[in-house]
Amino acid sequence: DIQMTQSPSSLSASVGDRVTITCRASQGVGSSLAWYQHKPGEAPQRLIYGVSSLQSGVPSRFSGSGSGTEFTLTITSLQPEDFATYYCLQHYTYPLVFGGGTKVGIK
Amino acid sequence: QVRLMQSGAEVKKPGAAVKVSCKTSGYTFSSHSITWVRQAPGQGLEWMGWVSTVTGNTFYAHGLQDRVTMTIDPSTTTAYMELKNLVSDDTAVYYCARSTLLGLWFPDDFWGQGTLVTVSS
Repeated sequence: DIQMTQSPSSLSASVGDRVTITCRASQGVGSSLAWYQHKPGEAPQRLIYGVSSLQSGVPSRFSGSGSGTEFTLTITSLQPEDFATYYCLQHYTYPLVFGGGTKVGIK
Repeated sequence: QVRLMQSGAEVKKPGAAVKVSCKTSGYTFSSHSITWVRQAPGQGLEWMGWVSTVTGNTFYAHGLQDRVTMTIDPSTTTAYMELKNLVSDDTAVYYCARSTLLGLWFPDDFWGQGTLVTVSS
């Protein structure tokens, strides 16, 4: 199975900060990489699919990049509503695998 | 509008089974598969598997394939996830998600509200 390793597992940031989260795959996943945001008590929300395509309705401060085995989610100017846990997901091969998550907290 | 409405919370004893439903509306049921994802307390998201809403074909996570069954009822546009021989580690919030085909089926932006399943003696 492909392993997905996210880093960091948690971070503290302030409103307005630029935040970068990394996801590494144990083998290449092509462009089959998505990012989700998950807040307590809510359903996850898809932010990015196909490595860098922004889900409809998601603010443009979110962006995705990368290729092969290393991918990045960037939030250019952190907003109060962005404090949440973020997960990458590879959908290149079965079983699909989520990364371990990155919790973005308030500094 | 697109909605996925899940059944309510369940409390089960070890060894029992649970069946969670996911009633969909607002879109063509057969156009999107359904993926099931769970989150145990304090843990991350875990992909459980998916079910085709056209054929009923399934693919399950390796660790669950002996105990999980995902089914559909096109007549009611409802998907079901049954998990048998429950153990305490199955305590989690279970989500259904409408899925997009991009290579493989994976969750898009429409999810159920989650169903808490508690396994306790």
